[in-house]
Amino acid sequence: QVQLQESGPGLVRPSDTLSLTCAVSGYSISTSDWWGWIRQPPGEGLEWIGYIHYSARTYYNPSLKSRITMSIDTSKNQFSLKLSSVTAVDTAVYYCIKKGPISTYFDIWGRGTLVTVSS
Amino acid sequence: QSALTQPPSASGSPGQSVTISCTGTSSDVGGNSYVSWYQQHPGKAPKLMIYEVTKRPSGVPDRFSGSRSGNTASLTVSGLQADDEADYYCSSYATSIILFGTGTKVTVL
Repeated sequence: QVQLQESGPGLVRPSDTLSLTCAVSGYSISTSDWWGWIRQPPGEGLEWIGYIHYSARTYYNPSLKSRITMSIDTSKNQFSLKLSSVTAVDTAVYYCIKKGPISTYFDIWGRGTLVTVSS
Repeated sequence: QSALTQPPSASGSPGQSVTISCTGTSSDVGGNSYVSWYQQHPGKAPKLMIYEVTKRPSGVPDRFSGSRSGNTASLTVSGLQADDEADYYCSSYATSIILFGTGTKVTVL
């Protein structure tokens, strides 16, 4: 059974870099699937951030692209997100997700982790 | 790219059906087969309910069905049950981006 678990600081200062990691269990990250992030500001809708393949190919949301870095560590079976120069609008629940090799649906989600940007 | 348009709310009594629309453009909803739907209960992660417009993942009841006409996709929940009360989001691929809908809160009366 595939499980995803997010981890990282719950509070980030404005202008700092938000860093999150997603640990994958029950499934190898080194497959044809893609691994990524989606966020949801409190009381609002979902926003796709991007995803990464174990080959290190990436696709990012154009509106966030200049601030995003995703990486993948096959030895630890985990992947990570860095979002730089954060402001209050980046406050959200961040979900890590799994996507199939071709289609664009997200079949496995982590429980999500709330990241608050505040001084 | 703007979010896909969904009605803010929908409701029905137990046993009835409710249909949620998701309106986009020919560049997203109407332009490919990558439309999906997610159910989200309060405080929980979204759950995939429909993918590729009409397909149901294993374990999703056949009370949930998807369809599309032109640039509008729809999710129908038949035989409403109390546990169907949740937020529902559509999603579609558009060139170089994944779009989500604005979300619909379904209330079981």
